[in-house]
Amino acid sequence: QQQVKQSPQSLIVQKGGISIINCAYENTAFDYFPWYQQFPGKGPALLIAIRPDVSEKKEGRFTISFNKSAKQFSLHIMDSQPGDSATYFCAADTSYGKLTFGQGTILTVHP
Amino acid sequence: DTAVSQTPKYLVTQMGNDKSIKCEQNLGHDTMYWYKQDSKKFLKIMFSYNNKELIINETVPNRFSPKSPDKAHLNLHINSLELGDSAVYFCASSQEKGGTEAFFGQGTRLTVV
Repeated sequence: QQQVKQSPQSLIVQKGGISIINCAYENTAFDYFPWYQQFPGKGPALLIAIRPDVSEKKEGRFTISFNKSAKQFSLHIMDSQPGDSATYFCAADTSYGKLTFGQGTILTVHP
Repeated sequence: DTAVSQTPKYLVTQMGNDKSIKCEQNLGHDTMYWYKQDSKKFLKIMFSYNNKELIINETVPNRFSPKSPDKAHLNLHINSLELGDSAVYFCASSQEKGGTEAFFGQGTRLTVV
């Protein structure tokens, strides 16, 4: 049972463009929604996270939009750069720490 | 200083062997995890320990046994390795047992031949 569904599987964007990755969840017990970035040969690293009491969080070029009623959240990367090329994972967590990941999106930013 | 370190980085072994992966964190965190990343890059939690106590044990074959000698260490022992165990295994830690940033190690690529 996939509790966090992520799309698209892969995404190709031109430099300077906007990258958008979407996620949907089922379990209403989730109360922490992080996005992780993973480069080849490395472990995932936290990019940005949001809690359900806010609808949007922005950190630099990265923005999370959160829709609690629809149980959906998304990552927007503004002014995408070649260095942003990586695999992105949305995730959802509860207070007892069962971090559940989406399937991942391979982002390629062409120069 | 590496926050979460795993050894070895690569592990190639034959079916039926027993192997261990070691993990150490120097962040002073209370909670440690093991995750498995399959060939399609899907990440799934296997185990979680909080203050040396097992709190999450997903539907993992009992050939996999975690051991936490202290809060800073969480090792993973695998008995009777099978081809399907080939994957990248990540150790991670977090300050609390949920709702906070998890710091991941660099991963151990296990290949069973």
